[in-house]
Amino acid sequence: QKEVEQNSGPLSVPEGAIASLNCTYSDRGSQSFFWYRQYSGKSPELIMFIYSNGDKEDGRFTAQLNKASQYVSLLIRDSQPSDSATYLCAVRSSASKIIFGSGTRLSIRP
Amino acid sequence: EPEVTQTPSHQVTQMGQEVILRCVPISNHLYFYWYRQILGQKVEFLVSFYNNEISEKSEIFDDQFSVERPDGSNFTLKIRSTKLEDSAMYFCASSADSYEQYFGPGTRLTVT
Repeated sequence: QKEVEQNSGPLSVPEGAIASLNCTYSDRGSQSFFWYRQYSGKSPELIMFIYSNGDKEDGRFTAQLNKASQYVSLLIRDSQPSDSATYLCAVRSSASKIIFGSGTRLSIRP
Repeated sequence: EPEVTQTPSHQVTQMGQEVILRCVPISNHLYFYWYRQILGQKVEFLVSFYNNEISEKSEIFDDQFSVERPDGSNFTLKIRSTKLEDSAMYFCASSADSYEQYFGPGTRLTVT
């Protein structure tokens, strides 16, 4: 059974600080990794994807991938109250199927 | 910016009834998906669809479920005989290739 694991949180971070979200996955053959943001009662919104080992930056967001450790992370710099949401790590497990983690709830305190 | 749209936003139905959930994927996308999320639980893959046929389906997607692309724009999920445990948010997603998937706003299905 292919799994994606995340700490459910809540993770509380002061406004302006860096939020660090982590994810591990079980299938060593996975090649594509995604971070989605989900506000309460809303649909998942794709914010980052990464396919290669290392870092990928997009604005205030940096995704980090370490395939040897089967570890993906998301850093959010200069955290804003609007970043408060559940962050879903997702891994493409086959040609078309994405497996989601249960999400980490992030709370940015003013 | 193009978006995936879904109708209705909320559907209430009685156990045993058939429901059809509708989606309009992003216009130049070729791959279509249905996911569901039971309240408080993970987003779960149901089915993927490409070139007018199912590419992959999960164990959840049994004979009670079917998908169809009846015309050039709509993509539908049908549940033939709903059960209480089918109550969930159903999300449609689409992608241009088989990589980044973009989700619609969802349909909340309540089975009573």
